[in-house]
Amino acid sequence: DQQVKQNSPSLSVQEGRISILNCDYTNSMFDYFLWYKKYPAEGPTFLISISSIKDKNEDGRFTVFLNKSAKHLSLHIVPSQPGDSAVYFCAASARVKTSYDKVIFGPGTSLSVIP
Amino acid sequence: NAGVTQTPKFRVLKTGQSMTLLCAQDMNHEYMYWYRQDPGMGLRLIHYSVGEGTTAKGEVPDGYNVSRLKKQNFLLGLESAAPSQTSVYFCASSYGRGALAIQYFGAGTRLSVL
Repeated sequence: DQQVKQNSPSLSVQEGRISILNCDYTNSMFDYFLWYKKYPAEGPTFLISISSIKDKNEDGRFTVFLNKSAKHLSLHIVPSQPGDSAVYFCAASARVKTSYDKVIFGPGTSLSVIP
Repeated sequence: NAGVTQTPKFRVLKTGQSMTLLCAQDMNHEYMYWYRQDPGMGLRLIHYSVGEGTTAKGEVPDGYNVSRLKKQNFLLGLESAAPSQTSVYFCASSYGRGALAIQYFGAGTRLSVL
């Protein structure tokens, strides 16, 4: 049972346009959400995050939106650039012990930005 | 500025062989993690550690053991490799939890078990 879902395995977008990557979660205990970006033959790198007390967080071209009632978040990239072509992982975090937060990753969405 | 370093980068094993994957971080992070990545399944947590001398099981711990004798190192062992353990393995570390839970990943180890 996937607790974090990314229903689009792949997405193609024209350079300069907006890329929207979606993520859905099932556990209402998740209170912190992160997006990671991964290039081939490299490890994932942190991109942007959002706390459950917010509904939007922006960092340059990247904006994450959180809709808690729908258990849905999305990552917007504007404008998209060819260097943004990568796999994007959504991750959700929930406190399960006094010393540990459980982090669950989605399966990823492969973004291709076409020049 | 090494960050998280994993060795080896590639390895081919025969069924039943054993090996140890080494992860080293130079950021003085308390938390360390081992994940495996398989097609269509994202990153699944194998084991983690919240500090030197501590380890705990993640989602998919069977067939793996770990040790964290030094704060900067986290070792993942396969005692008797099986074809189902063919995967890409990532080590990560973080300062802690919540807003400090941002994880820094190594470049990965690609393991094939024949």
